[in-house]
Amino acid sequence: KQEVTQIPAALSVPEGENLVLNCSFTDSAIYNLQWFRQDPGKGLTSLLLIQSSQREQTSGRLNASLDKSSGRSTLYIAASQPGDSATYLCAVCGSGGYNKLIFGAGTRLAVHP
Amino acid sequence: GAGVSQSPSNKVTEKGKDVELRCDPISGHTALYWYRQSLGQGLEFLIYFQGNSAPDKSGLPSDRFSAERTGGSVSTLTIQRTQQEDSAVYLCASSLGGYQETQYFGPGTRLLVL
Repeated sequence: KQEVTQIPAALSVPEGENLVLNCSFTDSAIYNLQWFRQDPGKGLTSLLLIQSSQREQTSGRLNASLDKSSGRSTLYIAASQPGDSATYLCAVCGSGGYNKLIFGAGTRLAVHP
Repeated sequence: GAGVSQSPSNKVTEKGKDVELRCDPISGHTALYWYRQSLGQGLEFLIYFQGNSAPDKSGLPSDRFSAERTGGSVSTLTIQRTQQEDSAVYLCASSLGGYQETQYFGPGTRLLVL
């Protein structure tokens, strides 16, 4: 059974810092991995999707890497801003069935001015 | 906007009542998913529709839960004889279809069972 773990559970940093969020999964037979952002009381916003054949994806200040063989992904946020404060969720697709996303518990990020 | 919409945004009901939650996917998306987000369980898959294929119901927690998708578009999630443990945020997502595609989520329906 696929299990997804995110570390740390919470993170508080001053504005401007570069930071790394970690995601690990137990079954490497995945089709893709997605990173989402969730603001309080809101739905999920997709940030990056990495296919199983890819090593990384970049969007603006965000960079996500994938090492499928070791079951790890990282989300790198450069030059953090207060607007980045949210919960970041990692989800993998594949080993649990087509398109079924298995989510981690999330990392709650607070960026203070 | 052209995103996934869900209604109602909030629902309070009494234990034992039935509730219906609605999802309007992004136009042209053939795949539709329901997830549940609760404090104790995190985000968990409930059911998946792809085109005219039989849905994947493997995540439904009990036979009190059912869902349908009419005309390949709008979907309704029905919970019969609600229990307090059904209290959660129910999220709907859609994608173009196929496992390579990004899933786009709606804002969710917050269900509280008293």
